[in-house]
Amino acid sequence: SQTIHQWPATLVQPVGSPLSLECTVEGTSNPNLYWYRQAAGRGLQLLFYSVGIGQISSEVPQNLSASRPQDRQFILSSKKLLLSDSGFYLCAWSVGPSPVLFGPGTRLTVL
Amino acid sequence: AQTVTQSQPEMSVQEAETVTLSCTYDTSESDYYLFWYKQPPSRQMILVIRQEAYKQQNATENRFSVNFQKAAKSFSLKISDSQLGDAAMYFCALGGVGYTGGFKTIFGAGTRLFVKA
Repeated sequence: SQTIHQWPATLVQPVGSPLSLECTVEGTSNPNLYWYRQAAGRGLQLLFYSVGIGQISSEVPQNLSASRPQDRQFILSSKKLLLSDSGFYLCAWSVGPSPVLFGPGTRLTVL
Repeated sequence: AQTVTQSQPEMSVQEAETVTLSCTYDTSESDYYLFWYKQPPSRQMILVIRQEAYKQQNATENRFSVNFQKAAKSFSLKISDSQLGDAAMYFCALGGVGYTGGFKTIFGAGTRLFVKA
């Protein structure tokens, strides 16, 4: 069966510090991978998606970046966090037109 | 550009009653997929139901059913016999071919459903 892992689960970081969130998927190959952000009480904003190793599409211009070094690994990064980067970050995957399935999420607080 | 609009920020329903959540979307694709997800307080996203655009028949999953109107680009979710456990945030989502040939899924802003005992 397929599972998706995200870590850390919770993170508190000061403004201006770097960020690295990791997502890995098990039990599938060549998935589409996604990073979404959910601000408090809001909907899901698609940040990045990837259809393969090294292939990243950015949906929103910002100080975040994503990388896909391996088929089932997706990393969200920032060199300098802003207060507005606070939120709930969800990694998700799909294979073709199947529904996206989500990881447990990372709650990021930038102080 | 693909868009998903949920015009009802909040809805309320009495236990055992029926409620309908609205969703409209826009896409230039001829082949796409529509989904409803539920996000309870645990924040884990749960797939409720899916609809392939090429299928005319409305999808159903137990107490959940959709009213898919392709020409109107409307995709509403009906919850019958509402239960307390149905209280959650509900997101409508549109999946289609992305810019680089992959499959991109975007979400509406969500509707928070309250269920009254």
